[in-house]
Amino acid sequence: QVQLVQSGAEVKKPGSSVKVSCKASKGTFSTYAFNWVRQAPGQGLEWMGVVIPILSTTNYTQRLQGRVTITADESTSTIYLDMTSLRSEDTAVYYCAREFTNSGAFDIWGQGTMVTVSS
Amino acid sequence: EIVMTQSPATLSVSPGERAILSCRASQSVGSNLAWYQQKPGQAPSLLIYGASTRAIGIPGRFSGSGSGTEFTLTISSLQSEDFAVYFCQQYNNWPPWTFGQGTKVEIK
Repeated sequence: QVQLVQSGAEVKKPGSSVKVSCKASKGTFSTYAFNWVRQAPGQGLEWMGVVIPILSTTNYTQRLQGRVTITADESTSTIYLDMTSLRSEDTAVYYCAREFTNSGAFDIWGQGTMVTVSS
Repeated sequence: EIVMTQSPATLSVSPGERAILSCRASQSVGSNLAWYQQKPGQAPSLLIYGASTRAIGIPGRFSGSGSGTEFTLTISSLQSEDFAVYFCQQYNNWPPWTFGQGTKVEIK
């Protein structure tokens, strides 16, 4: 069973950047689509973007376009989320999630990474 | 962007009773609808995809139905481990994939 293991919690200042990683433990990596989804405290789920390593393709929600970059390192089976110009409203748990047969439904999730943006 | 609306926001149910959760899409998503369960401090987990197909390992008391804009998740006999928050998600039109705001199923 594939597992997605994310990097640890981060505390950042407003205006700074953060990079969160998500490593797939085993199994096929490149042919799947990997997404990032975030959840602000006590709130719902917000899709942020996706990368398909084998196609070198990414797509992002328009709301975060320009501040978010998702990359994949096939040599280490790791996905990265880079986010710039952080604001207090970016405080959230960030999850990576694999798409089930690249359908758009997410069958494997990372454990989540808490990012706190505070001065 | 497709807006997903779940109702009710909170559902109070006694163990052993049936729970019915609703999800409505602002436009048709066909059968491209998933349901997730999230327990406190945990990541969501996939319950249902394709509106009605249970994910691997999901017990038969969970069932999904609907197509187009109206969907339902039914939990036939609530167990203690089922008290959680449930989200629906459309994956028909992107970007972005969109989620409902969630329904919390609590013990009555």
